[in-house]
Amino acid sequence: DGGITQSPKYLFRKEGQNVTLSCEQNLNHDAMYWYRQDPGQGLRLIYYSQIVNDFQKGDIAEGYSVSREKKESFPLTVTSAQKNPTAFYLCASSPKTGSSYEQYFGPGTRLTVT
Amino acid sequence: SQQGEEDPQALSIQEGENATMNCSYKTSINNLQWYRQNSGRGLVHLILIRSNEREKHSGRLRVTLDTSKKSSSLLITASRAADTASYFCVLNQGGSEKLVFGKGTKLTVNP
Repeated sequence: DGGITQSPKYLFRKEGQNVTLSCEQNLNHDAMYWYRQDPGQGLRLIYYSQIVNDFQKGDIAEGYSVSREKKESFPLTVTSAQKNPTAFYLCASSPKTGSSYEQYFGPGTRLTVT
Repeated sequence: SQQGEEDPQALSIQEGENATMNCSYKTSINNLQWYRQNSGRGLVHLILIRSNEREKHSGRLRVTLDTSKKSSSLLITASRAADTASYFCVLNQGGSEKLVFGKGTKLTVNP
């Protein structure tokens, strides 16, 4: 988990509220990613960013938004439009996007919406 | 995008035994990576094997890739209780910047 921090570890929200998950990295990586993991499942890509002030939708971007104002930070907002927000959210970074690079993961944030 | 399929879904062995996990896929790939996830934690990268490589080693880990059969295997030798985790096969397909994660194999190593 070193080099990437996610906070908080657990987050509880009421339905209808927006919530922002934090992700910070000190690895000087250009690329950052947000994934969602549901029980017994693999990771699904929500959004990714290759450089500051630029980001692309992943496979399940609906109901989520991101920003990349600083190289170190890539916060994810789970909006009230996301129909099933309860999940484990993982942030990752890599030196650049592309197949040659491994991704470094944070410890994750478990979001529960009731 | 197409993900790899790991087999078995769950594996339980005794400490000291070897553990083998397999991954099959359907389209061409640039490379294939294996990651480990301890329960409730982030993922940790284990090995990357490129499409022109057949085998790679890292400590007690051995990964093979057979592009003609579109399959890969991860072997953990002399397993330890600390190896208990889920192991994911991760694909990068031609022309894509994204990684595609399988559902994983849940390995339990009993002391």
